[in-house]
Amino acid sequence: GENVEQHPSTLSVQEGDSAVIKCTYSDSASNYFPWYKQELGKRPQLIIDIRSNVGEKKDQRIAVTLNKTAKHFSLHITETQPEDSAVYFCAASRANFGNEKLTFGTGTRLTIIP
Amino acid sequence: DVKVTQSSRYLVKRTGEKVFLECVQDMDHENMFWYRQDPGLGLRLIYFSYDVKMKEKGDIPEGYSVSREKKERFSLILESASTNQTSMYLCASSFSMQDTLDYEQYFGPGTRLTVT
Repeated sequence: GENVEQHPSTLSVQEGDSAVIKCTYSDSASNYFPWYKQELGKRPQLIIDIRSNVGEKKDQRIAVTLNKTAKHFSLHITETQPEDSAVYFCAASRANFGNEKLTFGTGTRLTIIP
Repeated sequence: DVKVTQSSRYLVKRTGEKVFLECVQDMDHENMFWYRQDPGLGLRLIYFSYDVKMKEKGDIPEGYSVSREKKERFSLILESASTNQTSMYLCASSFSMQDTLDYEQYFGPGTRLTVT
C-alpha cells in the first residue's frame, strides 16, 4: 500500500518568513495530493490540493509543488502570520472508484514566532 | 455548509466493553471514513465505505468493525475495548471522485475515547 513520509515533524519560523513542509510517497499510481490544516482543538480542513497533471498550484500565500518523477511534493507558506500556527498534514490518493482513500503523513507542527 | 457530526465529544469506557461511535453527514456524500489520530502518528485510516452496506479495511482495522445501513450514517464499533484503543477518533465524508472535482474530505469534530 501507499506510504507517505512527512518532514519535519516540528517547524518554528519567525513571523513574515517562509515555511516549507515536504512529503514523499511510495505508490507511483497516486495522482491526488491534498494538504490539510488542523488548528488546536479543531478538525482538519483542506487548504490546497494538487493533481498529478499539474506541477505547481498557488492560492494567495500558500503553494504546493509536485515532482512525480521523484515522488515528492511540498507545501510552501510565504509571509507567515500567527494564524498559520497549526498542524499540517499531507496526503496521497489513487483517486479511483472504490479506492478513494487518503494516506496521510504524520503531520508537521508549525509554530509562528511573533 | 457541510456538516459532519459525531455522537460524542468525550467518552470513557472500561476494558472489555462494546463501544459504538456514530457519525452522521448531511451532504449526501457517497464516501465515509473513520480515522484515529495519535500524537506523532498522524491520521490513520481504520475503515472506509464508498456506498451503503459497502466497507473496506483501512490501514489499522484490527479490533474494529463498521456498519453503514444508511447513506448518511457510518458507525464504528469496538467489539471489546482495550486500553490501546484510547485515542481521538475522527469521522470524515466526501463525494465520490467519479462524480465531482470536489475531492475534499470533511471531518467531524472528533470523539476522544478513553478506555480504562
